[in-house]
Amino acid sequence: AQSVTQLDSQVPVFEEAPVELRCNYSSSVSVYLFWYVQYPNQGLQLLLKYLSGSTLVKGINGFEAEFNKSQTSFHLRKPSVHISDTAEYFCAVIPYNTDKLIFGTGTRLQVFP
Amino acid sequence: ETGVTQSPTHLIKTRGQQVTLRCSSQSGHNTVSWYQQALGQGPQFIFQYYREEENGRGNFPPRFSGLQFPNYSSELNVNALELDDSALYLCASSPRTQETQYFGPGTRLLVL
Repeated sequence: AQSVTQLDSQVPVFEEAPVELRCNYSSSVSVYLFWYVQYPNQGLQLLLKYLSGSTLVKGINGFEAEFNKSQTSFHLRKPSVHISDTAEYFCAVIPYNTDKLIFGTGTRLQVFP
Repeated sequence: ETGVTQSPTHLIKTRGQQVTLRCSSQSGHNTVSWYQQALGQGPQFIFQYYREEENGRGNFPPRFSGLQFPNYSSELNVNALELDDSALYLCASSPRTQETQYFGPGTRLLVL
């Protein structure tokens, strides 16, 4: 069975500081990887995805993530956060042999002025 | 291009009742997936429809059922509602199976 682990349930950070949100996955088959963001009382918005090719992927709002196959990780980074980045962030995978997204439990990013 | 839309936005039901949630997929997308997101949790896969046929199901009981229509819109039906069914229900559409999924705003269901 596949699973996604987001190691930090909450990440507090000051505005303009860098941030990394960690994501590890477990799967017996290869996977596609995704990060979604959820603002309060809203649905999920796609931040970025890794399907193949370069392991460093860039997304919207200045976020990027790096796929590390040997460590089965897909950490999300931003060099300088804004107050508006305060939200819940979900890492997710689609294993090659299924069609369903498997989500982690989420990381709440709280940006303080 | 219209994104994924869901209706209603909020719903209150009592235990034992039945509910139908609706989803309109993004233009050009023939695959719809449904997810349940309990408070403080990540979304859990309920099932997926591809070209009007169920194409995979998560660990949910048969009282969770669905439909996809020829225009690729979809319904999620839940019978015999239980208190634990209270959650945000998310619909996502994609151009094909195993493609990137784009989510609607969700329907928040409260079961009393």
